[in-house]
Amino acid sequence: EAQVTQNPRYLITVTGKKLTVTCSQNMNHEYMSWYRQDPGLGLRQIYYSMNVEVTDKGDVPEGYKVSRKEKRNFPLILESPSPNQTSLYFCASSLRDSLGAYTFGSGTRLTVV
Amino acid sequence: ELKVEQNPLFLSMQEGKNYTIYCNYSTTSDRLYWYRQDPGKSLESLFVLLSNGAVKQEGRLMASLDTKARLSTLHITAAVHDLSATYFCAVTLTGTASKLTFGTGTRLQVTL
Repeated sequence: EAQVTQNPRYLITVTGKKLTVTCSQNMNHEYMSWYRQDPGLGLRQIYYSMNVEVTDKGDVPEGYKVSRKEKRNFPLILESPSPNQTSLYFCASSLRDSLGAYTFGSGTRLTVV
Repeated sequence: ELKVEQNPLFLSMQEGKNYTIYCNYSTTSDRLYWYRQDPGKSLESLFVLLSNGAVKQEGRLMASLDTKARLSTLHITAAVHDLSATYFCAVTLTGTASKLTFGTGTRLQVTL
């Protein structure tokens, strides 16, 4: 089944403890992105990648890192999480020059205490 | 900077009624998307609109795009309870298909 898989689905952590949220897609998509969703703010792009080793900042990149060493994987790294990073995170992927929509993962609900 | 505005933010409507959700964007774009999100769930793609005058329909939902006015509409015909969800429009700037900018969403509640 074609899908974007995120792990974990839920995570509670403490301030300052490094964490990684994984994202993997099995559709050979070039484009991958991370979004955070907060009430009243919609979805905001954190980072995106147009292909292996090509990444760029989105609208809210502060406090996050990404890497794209393989086409299928695009992990989101929080080196020192803070409570204002408590949010619902989505990974998404798309074919380059696709006429179709982005496919979204199931989401990761992160709570930083 | 691309801005995407939706209105209304919240819509409560009775079953059987018609209504329209509006999506305005601030800069020239070559693609507009509509997504649906059920509470606690991921985003489901509804429509991709690629050109001026594009119209797509699926069931009771119809989306259209006017690139000159920088406006897309999502029209709901004879609403049913199953359509209750949050609807998002999203836009990519011309030439930057990798960067998707979302509106704040319209929460639709269909009541009996």
